[in-house]
Amino acid sequence: GAVVSQHPSRVICKSGTSVKIECRSLDFQATTMFWYRQFPKQSLMLMATSNEGSKATYEQGVEKDKFLINHASLTLSTLTVTSAHPEDSSFYICSARAPASGTTEAFFGQGTRLTVV
Amino acid sequence: AQSVAQPEDQVKVAEGNPLTVKCTYSVSGNPYLFWYVQYPNRGLQFLLKYITGDNLVKGSYGFEAEFNKSQTSFHLKKPSALVSDSALYFCAVRFTSGGATNKLIFGTGTLLAVQP
Repeated sequence: GAVVSQHPSRVICKSGTSVKIECRSLDFQATTMFWYRQFPKQSLMLMATSNEGSKATYEQGVEKDKFLINHASLTLSTLTVTSAHPEDSSFYICSARAPASGTTEAFFGQGTRLTVV
Repeated sequence: AQSVAQPEDQVKVAEGNPLTVKCTYSVSGNPYLFWYVQYPNRGLQFLLKYITGDNLVKGSYGFEAEFNKSQTSFHLKKPSALVSDSALYFCAVRFTSGGATNKLIFGTGTLLAVQP
């Protein structure tokens, strides 16, 4: 299946700093990628849909100025958590589809555990 | 509103016994339904999907799921559970909303514990 790579897998940052998380589709081109957030023992909550070459579409309640998404190429989307606070600590997961391959399922990155201290 | 429900937070089965993880959905139109598995501190792995056709879908690692339109269900099953199947399982439905395509809505997840 298609491979989605997410980096870093784990990051600890100080409160007030910014953190960038990368999501790459390794063997396919992804015009659309998705960013999710997962709290402990809870489901995945869609934060935003990242579209290559255009602005991301954010879900209701997600601050676009705090969670900056850039999808500059067909294989890379980045999520930057700006001015991070302890409440931003969470597990962030990206996903992408490979429609050109004919598949309908999404492929997920390994996730990034963000801890803000 | 589109939604997915997993009524059980946790399912416990003995190794070798059959397992079922339940999922029901509510979506307008024809649903695309998926099952994913998540191991601790990892992303989601695709197990199987229903798009159209045969209601019984076979997937990875011996799992299967049955699409039941009348009951709006898509339960995940496996004839003989393994300890290594212990993980968090998510049911998901894909739909199109407001011009934004391919959104996946996830259920709350079911923690499967297979006991030796």
